[in-house]
Amino acid sequence: NAGVIQTPRHKVTGKGQEATLWCEPISGHSAVFWYRQTIVQGLEFLTYFRNQAPIDDSGMPKERFSAQMPNQSHSTLKIQSTQPQDSAVYLCASSFPGQKFSNERLFFGHGTKLSVL
Amino acid sequence: QQQVRQSPQSLTVWEGETAILNCSYEDSTFNYFPWYQQFPGEGPALLISIRSVSDKKEDGRFTIFFNKREKKLSLHITDSQPGDSATYFCAASAGGSFNKLTFGAGTRLAVCP
Repeated sequence: NAGVIQTPRHKVTGKGQEATLWCEPISGHSAVFWYRQTIVQGLEFLTYFRNQAPIDDSGMPKERFSAQMPNQSHSTLKIQSTQPQDSAVYLCASSFPGQKFSNERLFFGHGTKLSVL
Repeated sequence: QQQVRQSPQSLTVWEGETAILNCSYEDSTFNYFPWYQQFPGEGPALLISIRSVSDKKEDGRFTIFFNKREKKLSLHITDSQPGDSATYFCAASAGGSFNKLTFGAGTRLAVCP
């Protein structure tokens, strides 16, 4: 099991460009979460999907950010017109709804470090 | 409003000492409290967790003490090892299916040999 796979590991964009981040959850996990990590804000919840359906996007900035899960094997986070303040590590996590309470254990990927110049 | 708070921000201990990391929360509906460990360049990984029905959870050198009345908990790492040097995040959720975790800001632990 390769764990949660995130690509790319590092991405550098110019201000105003678009960035698409990819996540492949662990096979069989039906919940996928996106978090953003910065030194100042720590780990911030962005959005999550359950069985590919968007469940809670309360942490997503209303403009420029969007997330999709077109199939059970991958999810994308897209940031349009990137700004320097979007620079962060974007973490994807997946969870398995198996035994009671086990769905609350998140398995994180290594993250994608986004740098907006 | 920061719902989960951690202290100290950073902590340095000598090898063999006990490191104590503190966490407090605001939301009384929180009933599940995992601690995640993160090494540089990696994502956080679940270390140990506790539910609000318990006041203590032990796993090897790691122990969580939980005080529901005061909405506080702490992670004790006994016989600290240099390999324990990492950032530790306290998190909380209201439980149930796929409830999102709210993370604290983390405590950076350094264990000196």
